[in-house]
Amino acid sequence: EPEVTQTPSHQVTQMGQEVILRCVPISNHLYFYWYRQILGQKVEFLVSFYNNEISEKSEIFDDQFSVERPDGSNFTLKIRSTKLEDSAMYFCASRAGEGYGYTFGSGTRLTVV
Amino acid sequence: AQSVTQLGSHVSVSEGALVLLRCNYSSSVPPYLFWYVQYPNQGLQLLLKYTSAATLVKGINGFEAEFKKSETSFHLTKPSAHMSDAAEYFCAVSGANQAGTALIFGKGTTLSVSS
Repeated sequence: EPEVTQTPSHQVTQMGQEVILRCVPISNHLYFYWYRQILGQKVEFLVSFYNNEISEKSEIFDDQFSVERPDGSNFTLKIRSTKLEDSAMYFCASRAGEGYGYTFGSGTRLTVV
Repeated sequence: AQSVTQLGSHVSVSEGALVLLRCNYSSSVPPYLFWYVQYPNQGLQLLLKYTSAATLVKGINGFEAEFKKSETSFHLTKPSAHMSDAAEYFCAVSGANQAGTALIFGKGTTLSVSS
């Protein structure tokens, strides 16, 4: 069964450093998403991406965050200057289209120290 | 805008007992509704989804859910719990015909199954 692949599975970074989280969505999917889950809390929406542009973003997705689909297969989330409170599990998801389910990757656990 | 309320952050059942996890939604447009399961240290796995077809939806691992518009509910059930069902369960909503927009999650319900 097709999967959404996320790398790395775990990343530790120093506060103030830039990180890039990588995702390879399912190849024929058109809609892409990033979510985060702070330990013990609910899954929170960050951003959705369609047709090479952001279609919706939450208040969490401020100027420190950006997304990119650089080569037609990868979908990345960049955090420019990490803060301690950015420590969370970050999930990528993709969707084929209207009426389809969202397929999630296994996540990247980001630890900011 | 859409939102989801999961009633009960923790549900405990005995093996073989009925599982009932409650979810109520709020949506300004016709909703699509989903249940996801998360096992410890793993990602989110789709259990089932409602996308305006049959109101009783059957999913994987023996789970099913019924969409009740009059009650704005989408409760998840399983007739007989198994130890392997112990996990975190999330109800989620998105707007129909709004594929590029967010899937909004509830706070989750932890299901414990005892022998």
